[in-house]
Amino acid sequence: GAVVSQHPSRVICKSGTSVKIECRSLDFQATTMFWYRQFPKKSLMLMATSNEGSKATYEQGVEKDKFLINHASLTLSTLTVTSAHPEDSSFYICSAQGQGSNTGELFFGEGSRLTVL
Amino acid sequence: LAKTTQPISMDSYEGQEVNITCSHNNIATNDYITWYQQFPSQGPRFIIQGYKTKVTNEVASLFIPADRKSSTLSLPRVSLSDTAVYYCLVGGFSGNTPLVFGKGTRLSVIA
Repeated sequence: GAVVSQHPSRVICKSGTSVKIECRSLDFQATTMFWYRQFPKKSLMLMATSNEGSKATYEQGVEKDKFLINHASLTLSTLTVTSAHPEDSSFYICSAQGQGSNTGELFFGEGSRLTVL
Repeated sequence: LAKTTQPISMDSYEGQEVNITCSHNNIATNDYITWYQQFPSQGPRFIIQGYKTKVTNEVASLFIPADRKSSTLSLPRVSLSDTAVYYCLVGGFSGNTPLVFGKGTRLSVIA
């Protein structure tokens, strides 16, 4: 099946620094990718929809200047957490839907755990 | 986006069949029903997908009644490794439509 890969899987950073998380579709092209975040024992919360070649669409309450999303190619989307603070510590997960898919099945990355000290 | 409702948690002994029902009263004509499994610190993994009636694959069965307002994921003979959170989602057709996760069902399999 289709594979979505995230990097890094874990990252620890100091408060105030920026962290970039990459999401790649390894064997298919993804015009649209989605970014979720998940707190412990909670469900996934949609943050934004990343569209190749255009601006991302953010969900209500998600700061677009804090969570920068870039989808420069059909196989790569990046999420940059700018000026990270401890409350940004979370599990970030990306997903993608392959081209030509009409059933809504999403392929998810392995997730990236961010810890801000 | 159709909202889904599932039991918060379920317990089962190894070897038993587990059925998890999801309600989605506002499902749209174009929506598919998809179930995902998530282990701690991992991304969700696709289990099964269906539109109507019954779908079966090597790991599960999905039962969908004619009105499609609910669906039931059936896991035959669960093992300890099936302990996970199971999410029911509805959506589809448009590649630009994100899937919104509900709270999911936390299944605990006991030896």
